[in-house]
Amino acid sequence: SQKIEQNSEALNIQEGKTATLTCNYTNYSPAYLQWYRQDPGRGPVFLLLIRENEKEKRKERLKVTFDTTLKQSLFHITASQPADSATYLCALTLGGFKTIFGAGTRLFVKA
Amino acid sequence: GAGVSQTPSNKVTEKGKYVELRCDPISGHTALYWYRQSLGQGPEFLIYFQGTGAADDSGLPNDRFFAVRPEGSVSTLKIQRTERGDSAVYLCASSPISGGEAFFGQGTRLTVV
Repeated sequence: SQKIEQNSEALNIQEGKTATLTCNYTNYSPAYLQWYRQDPGRGPVFLLLIRENEKEKRKERLKVTFDTTLKQSLFHITASQPADSATYLCALTLGGFKTIFGAGTRLFVKA
Repeated sequence: GAGVSQTPSNKVTEKGKYVELRCDPISGHTALYWYRQSLGQGPEFLIYFQGTGAADDSGLPNDRFFAVRPEGSVSTLKIQRTERGDSAVYLCASSPISGGEAFFGQGTRLTVV
């Protein structure tokens, strides 16, 4: 069956540390992989997009890796801050541009 | 407008009634997506428009759900004979490029009682 899996348990880290979130998928061949942030009661907000032929992409304190062999993406937030506390969603854009989401991982950054 | 606008923000309806949810995308965005999200879950894909046509409606759960985008801008999601299981937040997103960065609205919280 087709699945997108993100850590269902919340991730708790100390301010200043690097947060690493994982997205694994099965039986999909995405053209792109995207990461979004969602705060309670709000719609998701786009963070980064990485294409199938890219290994890594960075934006400020954010870094995404994409391994199409392992069918996995890692999302890193360096020098984390309490304001980074949110739910982070992984999304796959398939051929035909349908975009589907994982369930998300909640991140808590403690001061 | 500055962003994607969804109306109403909240809708309470009785089981069996018909509801319409509206989405105003960012001007010029050709791609428009509808999702629904239940508590603790990620957005569930419903339908994707490219311009006026539904490019992929494979996520619509059954024939009670229908969506239109007649002029390639505003879209309406229509739900007939609502059921309690339809209660969720319905999210709309638009994108200037199909499959690219999507801009989401705040959602419509639908409650069927």
